[in-house]
Amino acid sequence: DSGVTQTPKHLITATGQRVTLRCSPRSGDLSVYWYQQSLDQGLQFLIQYYNGEERAKGNILERFSAQQFPDLHSELNLSSLELGDSALYFCASGRKGRGLSDTEAFFGQGTRLTVV
Amino acid sequence: AQKVTQAQTEISVVEKEDVTLDCVYETRDTTYYLFWYKQPPSGELVFLIRRNSFDEQNEISGRYSWNFQKSTSSFNFTITASQVVDSAVYFCALSPGGSYIPTFGRGTSLIVHP
Repeated sequence: DSGVTQTPKHLITATGQRVTLRCSPRSGDLSVYWYQQSLDQGLQFLIQYYNGEERAKGNILERFSAQQFPDLHSELNLSSLELGDSALYFCASGRKGRGLSDTEAFFGQGTRLTVV
Repeated sequence: AQKVTQAQTEISVVEKEDVTLDCVYETRDTTYYLFWYKQPPSGELVFLIRRNSFDEQNEISGRYSWNFQKSTSSFNFTITASQVVDSAVYFCALSPGGSYIPTFGRGTSLIVHP
């Protein structure tokens, strides 16, 4: 058990709908990362939050947004869903290394999103 | 730009065989981190190892060992005496030294037959 909790584990929804994925980081971790894993794109970094603020952005679509709350949990909002958004969405939380950077992260079990 | 190549898409072995998973990376950073993750059929990503670019010592952990060679930009992973429970997809990843935002390879699916 990595200590990172993601809910729900599975989600099935229709095209055009909006869903929210939730992540609770490990105790003491300030960074949260979101990744998308799909068959054609592999594991893609979406976005990072650190202590409530957006820190880095990857290949995140405009239809997707995220936020990190004062209690450090994070939510990834996916809207106007398309069939191609079906994927496994991972959240990871960062452990502080020396200095200010996270040198490793631990992943949650993922949320499997199926868009039908 | 960073790139991680895992040329082996799938490897199939029989239990007790040794198996090496290859990972080749490209980066212009002088400081970086390399990782291996395991993704069993259940789907979670399990952290196995992190190596920084200044530490080329090989590492052994039980049946697992890692060979980091900067000269060839490779970070290979060997499982000795493989077991059925080792069946999983293994990902190699690379992140810049300043922050953890790794670029993942496409993964190698390892199937260990009894």
